[in-house]
Amino acid sequence: QAVLTQPSSLSASPGASASLTCTLRSGFNVVSYRIFWYQQKPGSPPQFLLRYTSDSDKQQGSGVPSRFSGSKDTSANAGILLISGLQSEDEADYYCMIWHNSASLFGGGTKLTVL
Amino acid sequence: QITLKESGPTLVKPTQTLTLTCTFSGFSLRVAGEGVGWIRQPPGKALEWLAVISWDDDSHLYSPSLKNRLTVTRDASKNQVILTMTNVDPVDTATYYCARYDFSSAVLDYWGQGALVTVSS
Repeated sequence: QAVLTQPSSLSASPGASASLTCTLRSGFNVVSYRIFWYQQKPGSPPQFLLRYTSDSDKQQGSGVPSRFSGSKDTSANAGILLISGLQSEDEADYYCMIWHNSASLFGGGTKLTVL
Repeated sequence: QITLKESGPTLVKPTQTLTLTCTFSGFSLRVAGEGVGWIRQPPGKALEWLAVISWDDDSHLYSPSLKNRLTVTRDASKNQVILTMTNVDPVDTATYYCARYDFSSAVLDYWGQGALVTVSS
């Protein structure tokens, strides 16, 4: 079982909000981890979106709009990327990432379709 | 302006050693807190983190599943980082990215465009 699990796809309408989840495997407590989110559009390298540890410890990527935000659902042991006011340009693959024992792990990615 | 560019062979035979070079500008590996990471992505698949090297050459972090096959070295005077992967297999076919790594924030904040490497006989 993968350490980080993301739904393979998600669809949402323009102007709506989309909540992308990154569920940590049992034994990995989301409270203890910084959750990083990257966006990748077709044919392009990934781009850092944001890091979320807590409301008092978070980092937005350079030039990333505030409608991209992070949070955690501790009951689900998951990190969440919330995108509000969806735009067609938000259609992309989204990857979560954590650092564990001096190594980094990526989730399997979620393909977000805006239609 | 920070830029990174990956270079190396596009085709490698199974069991051979793959060597990729990341040439960067706009930052220096002589500055504390700077690093360069390597990440790969098989066609149509997810990202996989491979390694990171630090400004002082003191930290070499490797994917546990690949650490026996990977070596990352640097030439700070040339602004280059080299990734070596031994005994390649067709499953290593991927686009290989290098990215600047900020040790203070743990963010891979600037990425190269990637280099597609195919492993095939």
